Amino acid sequence: EVQLVESGGGLVKPGGSLRLSCAASGFTFNRYSMNWVRQAPGKGLEWLSSISSSSNYIYYADSLKGRFTISRDNSKTSLYLQMNSLRAEDTAVYYCARDLEMAAIRSFDSWGQGTLVTVS
Amino acid sequence: DIQMTQSPSSLSASVGDKVTITCRASQSINNYLNWYQQKPGKAPKLLIYAASSLQSGVPSRFSGSGSGTDFTLAIINLQPEDFATYYCQQTYSIPRTFGQGTKVEVK
Repeated sequence: EVQLVESGGGLVKPGGSLRLSCAASGFTFNRYSMNWVRQAPGKGLEWLSSISSSSNYIYYADSLKGRFTISRDNSKTSLYLQMNSLRAEDTAVYYCARDLEMAAIRSFDSWGQGTLVTVS
Repeated sequence: DIQMTQSPSSLSASVGDKVTITCRASQSINNYLNWYQQKPGKAPKLLIYAASSLQSGVPSRFSGSGSGTDFTLAIINLQPEDFATYYCQQTYSIPRTFGQGTKVEVK
């Protein structure tokens, strides 16, 4: 069974930093691209970043403006999101999601339960 | 960036109804379109990928159609567990944008 478990969320002051982790199990982690998606309270889903299986390709939403860094450690089957210069508008539940490619179409087929980041 | 616009933003329906949600892309995305279901306090769940392919384990009362810029998610014989918020998402290009969501509520 695919499992993704996020951790590292919490309360942080504006301008502070936080590192989120996503522990993966139940699948061959080093064969899949991974993503971070967030959801502000009462709002919709916002894609943040993607990283390919070998970390060769990394993409970010323009809205992050270089403040966030995605990374992964395949030996630890873990995904990370380093968040710096945090703002109130970064308050959200942060999800990691597995990237599945079927017939050349990508989708996010497995999600973690999310970790809440509150910037205040 | 490709903008994804869903309509309606919310709708009220009864058990047994047929529900249709539309998603429009600001430019052609071929069939690079996914649908997700999200219940309160839970992570999103993939329902449909590649516009019309049913994800494993998803009931057949869910279906997707469309190509290019206009897409539809249909739910026939709405069940109590289907009351949720639904999101479309394009994976044609970066950023992998989501629609704003459609909340399906009990009438």
